[in-house]
Amino acid sequence: DAGVTQSPTHLIKTRGQQVTLRCSPISGHKSVSWYQQVLGQGPQFIFQYYEKEERGRGNFPDRFSARQFPNYSSELNVNALLLGDSALYLCASSWTGEQFFGPGTRLTVL
Amino acid sequence: RKEVEQDPGPFNVPEGATVAFNCTYSNSASQSFFWYRQDCRKEPKLLMSVYSSGNEDGRFTAQLNRASQYISLLIRDSKLSDSATYLCVVNREGGTNAGKSTFGDGTTLTVKP
Repeated sequence: DAGVTQSPTHLIKTRGQQVTLRCSPISGHKSVSWYQQVLGQGPQFIFQYYEKEERGRGNFPDRFSARQFPNYSSELNVNALLLGDSALYLCASSWTGEQFFGPGTRLTVL
Repeated sequence: RKEVEQDPGPFNVPEGATVAFNCTYSNSASQSFFWYRQDCRKEPKLLMSVYSSGNEDGRFTAQLNRASQYISLLIRDSKLSDSATYLCVVNREGGTNAGKSTFGDGTTLTVKP
């Protein structure tokens, strides 16, 4: 069975641009969560979606938004990119409790 | 104070050693607990869930003390392949809201020949 997939794997943007990251969960998983991980820290929770409904939002500005589609895949959008948005963006899917992560999208903002 | 705190290490141990990692969490209403392993520049991978009764998986043993809000991971007979960063993870909610995890910053383990 395929695990969680994310695209793209790497991305380079400049300040002020917008970016869209994509995630496909494990088949049968209805929950998708997004995390941001900067070097030397643990992942920080951004959003959780379950059955296309937002179930939680972490302490991130409104420049960050997300949605979940009927097939349970998800997109994370970040507007007006800042240098500090450079990080590994991880998507995780879960049935309940245990989360399984995709390989991440490494975003560099110049 | 962070919601989940771990000793960052690094822990440098010889092969065959026993090593223990600790983690404390501040929210007493937390529902579920996990240890993840993360290799350099890779995604976190689930190592094991942590239960109040304690649980063991081969060389790995996890313990939860709800009264002290403390989680531990014990690795026996360390292998070179155990070298990684170990992340303590706490969920404040369960069921379909369980995808809002709080991670510690991780403890780095290096096992040397």
